[in-house]
Amino acid sequence: GEDVEQSLFLSVREGDSSVINCTYTDSSSTYLYWYKQEPGAGLQLLTYIFSNMDMKQDQRLTVLLNKKDKHLSLRIADTQTGDSAIYFCAESDGGYQKVTFGTGTKLQVIP
Amino acid sequence: DTEVTQTPKHLVMGMTNKKSLKCEQHMGHRAMYWYKQKAKKPPELMFVYSYEKLSINESVPSRFSPECPNSSLLNLHLHALQPEDSALYLCASSQGGAPNTGELFFGEGSRLTVL
Repeated sequence: GEDVEQSLFLSVREGDSSVINCTYTDSSSTYLYWYKQEPGAGLQLLTYIFSNMDMKQDQRLTVLLNKKDKHLSLRIADTQTGDSAIYFCAESDGGYQKVTFGTGTKLQVIP
Repeated sequence: DTEVTQTPKHLVMGMTNKKSLKCEQHMGHRAMYWYKQKAKKPPELMFVYSYEKLSINESVPSRFSPECPNSSLLNLHLHALQPEDSALYLCASSQGGAPNTGELFFGEGSRLTVL
């Protein structure tokens, strides 16, 4: 089955950049996503990238995709305390019904 | 309206109780999902309804029974649950149909405690 792995924890200082990494195994992944989950809340889609792209930028967020290595990263520029949350990468084969989530990375932003 | 609304937010039930979780969306989405999330873990897919028909059941025990009365509503009926079923139950919806980016819109979740 699909396997999506992330490091468990990342700590950064406010104002610095954060880079959260993800590796996946399913070569048929069509869409790759980054979701954010704040404590006690549901997940919120931050951004997604289609598998034929290698980069996508959206304001403070930059997504990089290395399809050969099956590696996805999310860079958050000028990280703020409000960015503290758990970040999940996820992948879908484009069948739209089954989205597999990674293990999640807890981002701690130190003021 | 870009919200997925789940009720109740918190539920405590005994192992012999019957209860239901409810989910509603008014975005015209045609796919709706139930996920289960344990603490410090990613969401795990339980069920998918597509155009009001059950399209995916991830081998979920029969003590969980989903129902999709119409395209806006999704219920999860609970009966004879076990303490290990305690978790955050998340409802999500997506546009459905093709082409589709698979973007999921999540509710805030129902936190279930089974005593």
